[in-house]
Amino acid sequence: EPEVTQTPSHQVTQMGQEVILRCVPISNHLYFYWYRQILGQKVEFLVSFYNNEISEKSEIFDDQFSVERPDGSNFTLKIRSTKLEDSAMYFCASKGYSNQPQHFGDGTRLSIL
Amino acid sequence: GQQLNQSPQSMFIQEGEDVSMNCTSSSIFNTWLWYKQEPGEGPVLLIALYKAGELTSNGRLTAQFGITRKDSFLNISASIPSDVGIYFCAGLGGTSYGKLTFGQGTILTVHP
Repeated sequence: EPEVTQTPSHQVTQMGQEVILRCVPISNHLYFYWYRQILGQKVEFLVSFYNNEISEKSEIFDDQFSVERPDGSNFTLKIRSTKLEDSAMYFCASKGYSNQPQHFGDGTRLSIL
Repeated sequence: GQQLNQSPQSMFIQEGEDVSMNCTSSSIFNTWLWYKQEPGEGPVLLIALYKAGELTSNGRLTAQFGITRKDSFLNISASIPSDVGIYFCAGLGGTSYGKLTFGQGTILTVHP
């Protein structure tokens, strides 16, 4: 069964450094998402991406965050200058059509030191 | 913003028992989804509900989309040890782009 794949599985970064989290959504999917989950808390929406542009973003997704789909297969989340509170699991998700459910990757654990 | 209240927060049950958990919201959702998350993994879709009143089963799992579109429940019958995990409800609102709002999760522990 097709899967959303995320790399790396764990990223450790010094505060203030830039970090790029990578995702390969399911092939032929059209809608792409990033969510985050702080340890012990619920999953929170960050951003949705469709037709090569951001379609919706949350208050969490400020100017330090950006997303890109640089080619036909990858979808990336960049955090320009990381803060301690950015430490969390970051999940990528994708879906094929608007009425289909989202499928999630296994996440990247981001640890900011 | 939209919020989901999921209960209970945690459950400790014996193998073979039935489990019920639910989510409520003050807002209307067009779709309700139930996901399971195990340690070190992402949420895995269990059941998707698309119409008010819809009752859907997936093996030992049954979920319903409330008539008011503001609630949903998930039942697990005859629980087994591999049912252990965190169960999340998620609601999809009015936009087609599909921002999901998640509940706080129900931690399920099954004692053999």
